[in-house]
Amino acid sequence: DAGITQSPRHKVTETGTPVTLRCHQTENHRYMYWYRQDPGHGLRLIHYSYGVKDTDKGEVSDGYSVSRSKTEDFLLTLESATSSQTSVYFCAIRVGEDGYTFGSGTRLTVV
Amino acid sequence: SQKIEQNSEALNIQEGKTATLTCNYTNYSPAYLQWYRQDPGRGPVFLLLIRENEKEKRKERLKVTFDTTLKQSLFHITASQPADSATYLCALDGSGGYNKLIFGAGTRLAVHP
Repeated sequence: DAGITQSPRHKVTETGTPVTLRCHQTENHRYMYWYRQDPGHGLRLIHYSYGVKDTDKGEVSDGYSVSRSKTEDFLLTLESATSSQTSVYFCAIRVGEDGYTFGSGTRLTVV
Repeated sequence: SQKIEQNSEALNIQEGKTATLTCNYTNYSPAYLQWYRQDPGRGPVFLLLIRENEKEKRKERLKVTFDTTLKQSLFHITASQPADSATYLCALDGSGGYNKLIFGAGTRLAVHP
């Protein structure tokens, strides 16, 4: 996935612990997004950013926070992980006026 | 609230046939509708975008139609190949605009030799 990387690729964490996922882009795109994907639900928007320190909530933002202190990095934090946050998390960037470019995803398991 | 419906059952077709996938939406009139391909364990890959004032769009073996009266988009793959096997997602800009794309759950396509 050109220009966008997510880390870690897999993570197992315990209920109640904070978790931070990182999305890094190399192309200075303004818009970045965090989605989660669950069976039967498709992709659901958590938060997005339209510039450094400019963010907005998506459909399923409860329990999540984000930060963007540099153009290239967009961090997603689960304040206190719960089992319902077990999911695959995708970061995306908006390239021009066409579709989004997605990262390869982070598979998070909360036990 | 806006809702997107894609057939949850897998579509199985023979190689060389045309695959047709359906995306229906309710409670909104989107300005854009997009189609993505997703392979297992990978992120979605953008395929095509069609605007509300466009009836049809083509890209190589792909064709998308957009009927704003029926609130439906059809996605066609002609001369399908086993390599086309994947899950196909449709997405539209909901009431939150282009930065709040709403995705359908996707339809899995299996093309058999």
